Amino acid sequence: DAKTTQPPSMDCAEGRAANLPCNHSTISGNEYVYWYRQIHSQGPQYIIHGLKNNETNEMASLIITEDRKSSTLILPHATLRDTAVYYCIVRVGNAGNMLTFGGGTRLMVKP
Amino acid sequence: DTEVTQTPKHLVMGMTNKKSLKCEQHMGHRAMYWYKQKAKKPPELMFVYSYEKLSINESVPSRFSPECPNSSLLNLHLHALQPEDSALYLCASSRQHQETQYFGPGTRLLVL
Repeated sequence: DAKTTQPPSMDCAEGRAANLPCNHSTISGNEYVYWYRQIHSQGPQYIIHGLKNNETNEMASLIITEDRKSSTLILPHATLRDTAVYYCIVRVGNAGNMLTFGGGTRLMVKP
Repeated sequence: DTEVTQTPKHLVMGMTNKKSLKCEQHMGHRAMYWYKQKAKKPPELMFVYSYEKLSINESVPSRFSPECPNSSLLNLHLHALQPEDSALYLCASSRQHQETQYFGPGTRLLVL
């Protein structure tokens, strides 16, 4: 699986959009981008994933660049409950079953 | 429903004890996973079961022994653990072994 690079920490004001970047410059054509988050002392929570196209669900939006070398997770209106560590993971969607977590970004949402 | 349950929530054990962690899901998922997470570190994969058969063992010491008695249950048997095994143990499941994984809340283990 390709490696990912994320900033170790970010702050965001409550009610504003949180934009979390991820670089995955060695991503292969069949590798998906997954995002999970982990609120303190809880299990990781699946957020969203995508291959090439931008994706949106009730939690977030995922924007993947055309060359697929980077992506951004967008939480449109961050709340205090969104404070967590956010992990960007790339993995093969139809052959690999492992999730290899990197360091993640610790997002602090402030009032 | 994307719920994976784990029991117990917390466990304290001595180095000579034998204990078991339990994980359960009723989503019809056929793949189940154990991860270990040390403080301030990301989760690390330990084992993968696919259709109740062990498919991946990430070079985990034999003092950790997984068991998958049926498609809904996954156990992790612990024996003669060391203090450095203290960690959060996470269970996850997915519909098939390549698909999105859903995690339980974890068991926080302290080995004295």
